[in-house]
Amino acid sequence: DAGVTQSPTHLIKTRGQQVTLRCSPKSGHDTVSWYQQALGQGPQFIFQYYEEEERQRGNFPDRFSGHQFPNYSSELNVNALLLGDSALYLCASRITSGGTDTQYFGPGTRLTVL
Amino acid sequence: LAKTTQPISMDSYEGQEVNITCSHNNIATNDYITWYQQFPSQGPRFIIQGYKTKVTNEVASLFIPADRKSSTLSLPRVSLSDTAVYYCLVGGFSGGYNKLIFGAGTRLAVHP
Repeated sequence: DAGVTQSPTHLIKTRGQQVTLRCSPKSGHDTVSWYQQALGQGPQFIFQYYEEEERQRGNFPDRFSGHQFPNYSSELNVNALLLGDSALYLCASRITSGGTDTQYFGPGTRLTVL
Repeated sequence: LAKTTQPISMDSYEGQEVNITCSHNNIATNDYITWYQQFPSQGPRFIIQGYKTKVTNEVASLFIPADRKSSTLSLPRVSLSDTAVYYCLVGGFSGGYNKLIFGAGTRLAVHP
């Protein structure tokens, strides 16, 4: 049973460019969340997708957008990259129906903006 | 979502039991308590989750007093590979959609 997978592992971009990160949830999971983790800090919630719609959003600008596909996989898009967007981007998945909120994280994508 | 407070860092030695306490005074009735472990440049790994009293699994125990305003993660006989950041989170469902609010976590260093 594969866990949460993310691609690519590492990415280097320059300021102003656009980037797309991808996530495949754990088998059987239907909800995907994205987090940004700057060096030395805890992960910060970006947004969550369920049934191909954005359900919750954290305090991130519109430059950050996402998408969820019918197979529950998801993409995170960041436009007009800034130096401050350099971080580890984490995807987490869970099953929406159920009694507890146990989210499982992928290995992350390390984005470096030069 | 309830805010959590936990020590910034802790030190221990191999073979010792480590207890990390987390304070969550404003925990809501439907909130669960969840602990994650994170190694550098990796995603957080789910350790344990509980609602009240005691929960034990193959890697840790979670102790929750009756008032649920705090919780303690207990790691038995730690090894060097337990050196990591440990996050305590509280949260439940809000209409079926939930986000995890991470604090700074506790950096545990296990020494030989």
